[in-house]
Amino acid sequence: DAGVIQSPRHEVTEMGQEVTLRCKPISGHDYLFWYRQTMMRGLELLIYFNNNVPIDDSGMPEDRFSAKMPNASFSTLKIQPSEPRDSAVYFCASRGLGGANEQFFGPGTRLTVL
Amino acid sequence: DAKTTQPPSMDCAEGRAANLPCNHSTISGNEYVYWYRQIHSQGPQYIIHGLKNNETNEMASLIITEDRKSSTLILPHATLRDTAVYYCIVRVGNQFYFGTGTSLTVIP
Repeated sequence: DAGVIQSPRHEVTEMGQEVTLRCKPISGHDYLFWYRQTMMRGLELLIYFNNNVPIDDSGMPEDRFSAKMPNASFSTLKIQPSEPRDSAVYFCASRGLGGANEQFFGPGTRLTVL
Repeated sequence: DAKTTQPPSMDCAEGRAANLPCNHSTISGNEYVYWYRQIHSQGPQYIIHGLKNNETNEMASLIITEDRKSSTLILPHATLRDTAVYYCIVRVGNQFYFGTGTSLTVIP
């Protein structure tokens, strides 16, 4: 398996633009998590899905952020409009049932909002 | 709320054991302790986890105190590739609560 796939790996955009980050979880995993990592706040959980349904979005900072999971193999995190303070590395992780219940993280998307 | 406390940084000589401590004094009886590490610019990588018993796998050993208020991750023979930030995490339900981690530097 290729692991969790995220795209793009790097994104540079200007303030006010819409940004869409993409994630493909590991096949067969039924949990998907979106995290944000900054120097100031570390790794923060934004939202997670179970069987494509959002379960907890309490970490989403504000209405400018939205996430969807239209099917088991794809999820998006959208920021509209983007602001400089959204600059961070965004990670997607997935988890299956059983085993160690560990989350498998993707390589991340480094977002820079100018 | 991170739920864990770790020293910000540690050094370890190559080939020696690295012992990384973690305090989780408010942990509840059914909450697991997980350890992940993050090598610069990469996504966090799972190392090991435990509930109350000591655990060992091919990467590391995890020692959890009897009262479960603290734990220690042991890398038995540290290599330069083990230089990373190590996170001690309490899993509450489906959520991981990451702290600030320990930056481990393995010195040649």
